[in-house]
Amino acid sequence: NAGVTQTPKFQVLKTGQSMTLQCAQDMNHNSMYWYRQDPGMGLRLIYYSASEGTTDKGEVPNGYNVSRLNKREFSLRLESAAPSQTSVYFCASSEGNRRTGELFFGEGSRLTVL
Amino acid sequence: GDSVTQMEGPVTLSEEAFLTINCTYTATGYPSLFWYVQYPGEGLQLLLKATKADDKGSNKGFEATYRKETTSFHLEKGSVQVSDSAVYFCALSVHDMRFGAGTRLTVKP
Repeated sequence: NAGVTQTPKFQVLKTGQSMTLQCAQDMNHNSMYWYRQDPGMGLRLIYYSASEGTTDKGEVPNGYNVSRLNKREFSLRLESAAPSQTSVYFCASSEGNRRTGELFFGEGSRLTVL
Repeated sequence: GDSVTQMEGPVTLSEEAFLTINCTYTATGYPSLFWYVQYPGEGLQLLLKATKADDKGSNKGFEATYRKETTSFHLEKGSVQVSDSAVYFCALSVHDMRFGAGTRLTVKP
């Protein structure tokens, strides 16, 4: 019953460093998402993938890249981290497309950029 | 654009008190409406949903009714427990999922 698994759970970076957040789901879902959660702002969509090999920008894509490696895995990369990217990042998946809801979330990855 | 506004927190209640968390929305088209809950240290999980006007979603003693005339989807529970302490997010889905800012609820014994 793993559901959506994210790694790492915590990471501290210096400005300009790069890193990749990994996400995998075992529910055979088609759609996968990356969100960031900031205080007072709820969750904002960074990128979305409807299927392997396809990705779409969300509300806040600048400074990020993604890769949908296969149906299970969807990674988020920060090429040159900035303090504004300090946040909690959530990966999610859904059976249908983004229109129909229910999202299943991972436990989150807390990133601090110094 | 599509958006959700929910009451600011934090909300602190005593055990067995009545809970209301207000949520209103702005949307083009006909959204589905959701309440998600985030317990400490965890990701969000769906609490309840409603897909059309006048539908009532319910789960774990929580209820919310889709009111098109007032564009609202208020969350209610008749008697809260300490275990209900969490952050609650209202959300809508038309073309994609849009979340409110979240309301932190603390229930004291």
